[in-house]
Amino acid sequence: ELKVEQNPLFLSMQEGKNYTIYCNYSTTSDRLYWYRQDPGKSLESLFVLLSNGAVKQEGRLMASLDTKARLSTLHITAAVHDLSATYFCALEVGPSKLTFGTGTRLQVTL
Amino acid sequence: SAVISQKPSRDICQRGTSLTIQCQVDSQVTMMFWYRQQPGQSLTLIATANQGSEATYESGFVIDKFPISRPNLTFSTLTVSNMSPEDSSIYLCSGTGGSSAETQYFGPGTRLLVL
Repeated sequence: ELKVEQNPLFLSMQEGKNYTIYCNYSTTSDRLYWYRQDPGKSLESLFVLLSNGAVKQEGRLMASLDTKARLSTLHITAAVHDLSATYFCALEVGPSKLTFGTGTRLQVTL
Repeated sequence: SAVISQKPSRDICQRGTSLTIQCQVDSQVTMMFWYRQQPGQSLTLIATANQGSEATYESGFVIDKFPISRPNLTFSTLTVSNMSPEDSSIYLCSGTGGSSAETQYFGPGTRLLVL
């Protein structure tokens, strides 16, 4: 059974701190997505990681992919309150078919 | 990029009835999908909406319960049939142009409450 697991499930962090969200998956894939979801909203695409060793950065967020370890990370640098949201990783397991991780609810406190 | 709209944005329905959700994309996309997000949960793929042919359903989802149409490259509908309270969820459609570096875009979702 395919599993895409994130940890932690919930993260409370202070502004200015750094932290990493982990996404582990149980099957081979060369494409992994990260999305952000605000309460009551749809999904906003953050990153598409296409190959082993891929690293992408946007603002305070940086995502990486290690296909050999079946692991992706989303690193948050110097968190700000506006980053509070739920973050999902999603693994492409067929032609554009996505299996989503469990989600990590991030709360950045002032 | 693609902008995806859905109608209705939310609805409250009685058990045993059916609801059809519409999904419109502002540009042609190669593939369209329907997902379900139960309260406080992650997203689960229901089916791939195939243009001009029957949708491809994931395990646990069947055509009789979730009939899907996709008459052209920019439009799809999902019907939730014979609803029960367990069908209360957010239903999202998504689309992708299929190019290697392109992300998958999601609609705003339809919030369904079944009483």
